[in-house]
Amino acid sequence: GEDVEQSLFLSVREGDSSVINCTYTDSSSTYLYWYKQEPGAGLQLLTYIFSNMDMKQDQRLTVLLNKKDKHLSLRIADTQTGDSAIYFCAESSLQGGGYNKLIFGAGTRLAVHP
Amino acid sequence: DSGVTQTPKHLITATGQRVTLRCSPRSGDLSVYWYQQSLDQGLQFLIHYYNGEERAKGNILERFSAQQFPDLHSELNLSSLELGDSALYFCASSVAGLAFDKTINTDTQYFGPGTRLTVL
Repeated sequence: GEDVEQSLFLSVREGDSSVINCTYTDSSSTYLYWYKQEPGAGLQLLTYIFSNMDMKQDQRLTVLLNKKDKHLSLRIADTQTGDSAIYFCAESSLQGGGYNKLIFGAGTRLAVHP
Repeated sequence: DSGVTQTPKHLITATGQRVTLRCSPRSGDLSVYWYQQSLDQGLQFLIHYYNGEERAKGNILERFSAQQFPDLHSELNLSSLELGDSALYFCASSVAGLAFDKTINTDTQYFGPGTRLTVL
């Protein structure tokens, strides 16, 4: 079935790197996503990776995809207090009729402390 | 700013009442999705509309209904409200929900700021 799992909580010191991990089940997913949600706000798209890629880098963000293990990670370099938020991993899952649906994990709450 | 707008931002109502939440997608996006986010259930997909037609249903209660209008805005109607319906309701939009050419990402969903519904 469709399932995306993430650890629920991560605490890091300001300036360190954060690594948020995610596992998914749909091996046919074409795109995998990371969204960020700050308190009281909507989900903001951070980045996505195409399933035929292993890595994607965008400024302080690095996404690693291990398709064999169905494992996705998001690395945030030089983590700042403004990075404190909930990070959601999502996979696109093909539905009947040719439409894709995003399956979200439960979110990882990142806390950045001085 | 994602380009997706939702109104109202906050809504407080009583049990048994009916409310309507509104969403305007990004310009050019044909698909609209509705999600419910609550503390105990996380982010739950409710329903997907593409160019005015319902395409997929998730965990949407029978008391809830939605539609997408010719101008592509969408409304989510919640009736016979219960305390447990208190949640954040998000709308998202994407270019399309079609997956014919997998090298073109039309799936990326852009979320609105949400409507916080409180049922007293």
